[in-house]
Amino acid sequence: GAVVSQHPSRVICKSGTSVKIECRSLDFQATTMFWYRQFPKQSLMLMATSNEGSKATYEQGVEKDKFLINHASLTLSTLTVTSAHPEDSSFYICSAGRGRRLGEQYFGPGTRLTVT
Amino acid sequence: KQEVTQIPAALSVPEGENLVLNCSFTDSAIYNLQWFRQDPGKGLTSLLLIQSSQREQTSGRLNASLDKSSGRSTLYIAASQPGDSATYLCAVRGTGRRALTFGSGTRLQVQP
Repeated sequence: GAVVSQHPSRVICKSGTSVKIECRSLDFQATTMFWYRQFPKQSLMLMATSNEGSKATYEQGVEKDKFLINHASLTLSTLTVTSAHPEDSSFYICSAGRGRRLGEQYFGPGTRLTVT
Repeated sequence: KQEVTQIPAALSVPEGENLVLNCSFTDSAIYNLQWFRQDPGKGLTSLLLIQSSQREQTSGRLNASLDKSSGRSTLYIAASQPGDSATYLCAVRGTGRRALTFGSGTRLQVQP
């Protein structure tokens, strides 16, 4: 099957610090990965599309200078939350699709970020 | 802009009942539709994927249907079990967009 991992699964950081979250496709290559955010009792909202070897595409209202995305290889995308604030506390989930057609997306287990 | 709505928001049923979860979407130009399950504090488990050319997909006790022209999908769960308790999310992929647009989910509780 297609497996996507995320690391770390949970992170607690102090306000003002930066946190990096990794998303890896373990058994397939993913030219495109997606980063979603989920606030408590709400659904997933797309933050950005991560493209291997090029700049990420951000959704309206998502600050690209605050949420840095790097997709340096076909199996790894990273999301860095810079100068984190308590309102950034959320559940961050990545997904990846196989091949160009991206018929089915495979989701990572998510990262719970708590900013104190 | 695609909008996905799920009804009901929450549902509680006794064990053994058959139930239907509803999903509607505003833009019928979709590539596919996926149903996911999410347990509290966990990631997503893909249940069923329906391509735009398909009418339904089945997996075990689950059956998902798609009526693209009316912008609707249903997830049918037969003989529900307490282990089915979770939040069920519907998500669509548009033809011009690779990311998924999610509904707000249906929180299902199956009482033993």
